[in-house]
Amino acid sequence: DVKVTQSSRYLVKRTGEKVFLECVQDMDHENMFWYRQDPGLGLRLIYFSYDVKMKEKGDIPEGYSVSREKKERFSLILESASTNQTSMYLCASSPGQLRETQYFGPGTRLLVL
Amino acid sequence: DAKTTQPTSMDCAEGRAANLPCNHSTISGNEYVYWYRQIHSQGPQYIIHGLKNNETNEMASLIITEDRKSSTLILPHATLRDTAVYYCIVRGGSNYKLTFGKGTLLTVNP
Repeated sequence: DVKVTQSSRYLVKRTGEKVFLECVQDMDHENMFWYRQDPGLGLRLIYFSYDVKMKEKGDIPEGYSVSREKKERFSLILESASTNQTSMYLCASSPGQLRETQYFGPGTRLLVL
Repeated sequence: DAKTTQPTSMDCAEGRAANLPCNHSTISGNEYVYWYRQIHSQGPQYIIHGLKNNETNEMASLIITEDRKSSTLILPHATLRDTAVYYCIVRGGSNYKLTFGKGTLLTVNP
């Protein structure tokens, strides 16, 4: 079974704080993705990575950065959290080609006060 | 990617088959039909996908019409834990990102 884990299920942070969200997959997948999901806006891709140390911007990268130092781990960083970054953050991974089936983690619900 | 149309909500009795329809009339030849579901406040769960043949796995069956303009996801014996929003997605071979529409809220009743 594919297992994608995220470091926290719920997180509360203050405006201006630096926030780290971590994602780990145990299936040796090549590709990892960070999405955010908001009511009425659906799923939006923030960043993805197709290899260690490689990253590409998705549709809404502003205010975020990512790090992939090891194949199994993909971190999302909010450099200076703002209230409009309150959201559900979802990590996913997929094997081989970027277009292959993506498997999601449980999500992190982030509240920025 | 082709647009999909799903009913907003459906009900199903526990133990009965749940049949969730999806229309994708503008699907093109290299696009796959994917189904995911999302239980409240959890991450989406992959269910099944197919190109043109019917598919079955331990979770569900996917029936795709011959013209590929519509499909049906079948949960053969629905349980209360199958209550979730079900998303039908059409995804082209070169597209790496997932986009969820509004989906169908399936409520399984005791």
